[in-house]
Amino acid sequence: KAGVTQTPRYLIKTRGQQVTLSCSPISGHRSVSWYQQTPGQGLQFLFEYFSETQRNKGNFPGRFSGRQFSNSRSEMNVSTLELGDSALYLCASSLLFGGAGIQYFGAGTRLSVL
Amino acid sequence: AQKITQTQPGMFVQEKEAVTLDCTYDTSDPSYGLFWYKQPSSGEMIFLIYQGSYDQQNATEGRYSLNFQKARKSANLVISASQLGDSAMYFCAMREEKGQGAQKLVFGQGTRLTINP
Repeated sequence: KAGVTQTPRYLIKTRGQQVTLSCSPISGHRSVSWYQQTPGQGLQFLFEYFSETQRNKGNFPGRFSGRQFSNSRSEMNVSTLELGDSALYLCASSLLFGGAGIQYFGAGTRLSVL
Repeated sequence: AQKITQTQPGMFVQEKEAVTLDCTYDTSDPSYGLFWYKQPSSGEMIFLIYQGSYDQQNATEGRYSLNFQKARKSANLVISASQLGDSAMYFCAMREEKGQGAQKLVFGQGTRLTINP
């Protein structure tokens, strides 16, 4: 069974640009969550989607947005990139919504903003 | 707000020895889940073990066990017979329960484990 797939694995952008990251969850998983990992702030929750609806959002500015499609695949978008957006962006999927669902992570997209 | 504390930034252990990674948590929610993840240098977060707050027994998964002490609010990970491949960052995390049952993990700062041959 295929795991969580994130594309692309690496991205280099310049300040002011926008970027879209993609996440394909494990087959049958309907909940998708996104996290940002930086050396200074550690792992921080961005948002979670279930059935194409954003259920929960972390403390990030509106430049960070996302969506989920009917096949549970998810994208996140960051507009007007800043240097501080350089990070590893991790996507996780889970089988159950709430309950004891375990989140399984992809390999991440490493974004560098120059 | 829920909080996870990992007090060991780095640990060095000889191969084949057992190692304990510390994790304490703070929550006022009676229902919560505790997780350990391993992150090798490649970046992927690998799920290791889960403990529910109402579970009576400590969770075990192969060489991994979770020493859950609810009264002390600690959830230490024990790795038996360590291997060179265990060298990685290890994160303790708690699932924060929201009203809508949303999935949100709160992570500790991590412990970098190095296994020496």
